[in-house]
Amino acid sequence: SQELEQSPQSLIVQEGKNLTINCTSSKTLYGLYWYKQKYGEGLIFLMMLQKGGEEKSHEKITAKLDEKKQQSSLHITASQPSHAGIYLCGAAPGTYKYIFGTGTRLKVLA
Amino acid sequence: GAGVSQSPSNKVTEKGKDVELRCDPISGHTALYWYRQSLGQGLEFLIYFQGNSAPDKSGLPSDRFSAERTGGSVSTLTIQRTQQEDSAVYLCASSWRSGGAVAKNIQYFGAGTRLSVL
Repeated sequence: SQELEQSPQSLIVQEGKNLTINCTSSKTLYGLYWYKQKYGEGLIFLMMLQKGGEEKSHEKITAKLDEKKQQSSLHITASQPSHAGIYLCGAAPGTYKYIFGTGTRLKVLA
Repeated sequence: GAGVSQSPSNKVTEKGKDVELRCDPISGHTALYWYRQSLGQGLEFLIYFQGNSAPDKSGLPSDRFSAERTGGSVSTLTIQRTQQEDSAVYLCASSWRSGGAVAKNIQYFGAGTRLSVL
């Protein structure tokens, strides 16, 4: 079965710093979803990547799916306290069931 | 509605009582999912509904858990004889459909129901 591993598990950065979160799959990805969860809330959809080499940006967050389609990275530029939360990657490996990564807990110090 | 709605947002119950959690998906979404998120843990798939097809109940942890989806819309997750280990956040998500086009697989989540079993 396919598994998604995220790194790092947790991250504390100073406001204004850049950071990268990685999501590595044990098998080829045919669609990769990034979500953000604020503490005590549901998941908010951020971006979806489908094609190898694809890159998408929204405000200061950029996500990329590598050419071999087994890893995705999420990059935040000039982090702000509002970026704090848990970032989760998800994939639907050919069926309806999602698998989710282990999550990366981000804290941004003001 | 504009988004996935779950109720109640918080539920405190005594061990042994039954609880019902409600999910109202986005209008038009045919797929509906229930997940459980325990403290410090990832998302655990519970059950999946797609249109009028038989639900996939493979993730339900025990026969105390059941769910139904009436009229292809609202869903209720029922936990009978609650135990302390049932304490968690229960999340509901819906999507246009599942399988096929990646874009239509995007799941939209409700804010969850935080269940505490004393």
